[in-house]
Amino acid sequence: DVVLTQSPLSLPVTLGQPASISCRSSQSLVYSDGNTYLNWFQQRPGQPPRRLIHKVSDRDSGVPDRFSGSGSGTDFTLKISRVEAEDVGVYYCMQGTHWRFTFGQGTKLEIK
Amino acid sequence: EVHLVESGGGLVQPGGSLRLSCVASGFTFSNYAMYWVRQAPGKSPEYISGINNNGSATFYANSVKGRFTISRDNSKDTLYLQLGSLRPVDLAVYYCARGWFRWGQGALVTVSS
Repeated sequence: DVVLTQSPLSLPVTLGQPASISCRSSQSLVYSDGNTYLNWFQQRPGQPPRRLIHKVSDRDSGVPDRFSGSGSGTDFTLKISRVEAEDVGVYYCMQGTHWRFTFGQGTKLEIK
Repeated sequence: EVHLVESGGGLVQPGGSLRLSCVASGFTFSNYAMYWVRQAPGKSPEYISGINNNGSATFYANSVKGRFTISRDNSKDTLYLQLGSLRPVDLAVYYCARGWFRWGQGALVTVSS
């Protein structure tokens, strides 16, 4: 199985400041069709995961533009340009390139 | 609007069985592959099973293979997960999902004597 390693696991951030989460894969996530199926999810307490980003950098509908994704191959990053109170939660990367699909261990974002 | 609503969760004894249902609305159910994902308390989500749009192809994670069965009834817009030989480690919230953008609210399965 592909292992996704996130860092940091805990991310205290001051309101209005930027935040960055890294996700590293044990294998390249480039699929045979040329796409890279790396997703980012946000999960608030008591809620299902909500997808924010798909295929590395494509923002899903309704997702604020302060969220952005980047990376290639095995190294990926989720950035929040200015953290707001509603961004508190756990963030997961997830790969959809190799069966079986796997999630990272999660990064807990909290307000400092 | 797309909706996915799970039901059938509850408390079951080790070794017992349970059937989860996921009723879909707001889209043409028969056009989409569907997934089951579970999340144990305090853990990351785990993709455990998937089925293609017509039910002819299925996938299971090793952790549930041989114990869980995924199926669908396109005439009822419903996805199922039959859980068998349940173990305490199967304690989790079970979500159905369409693609990775649409998720239900989840059904809690507790395995305890």
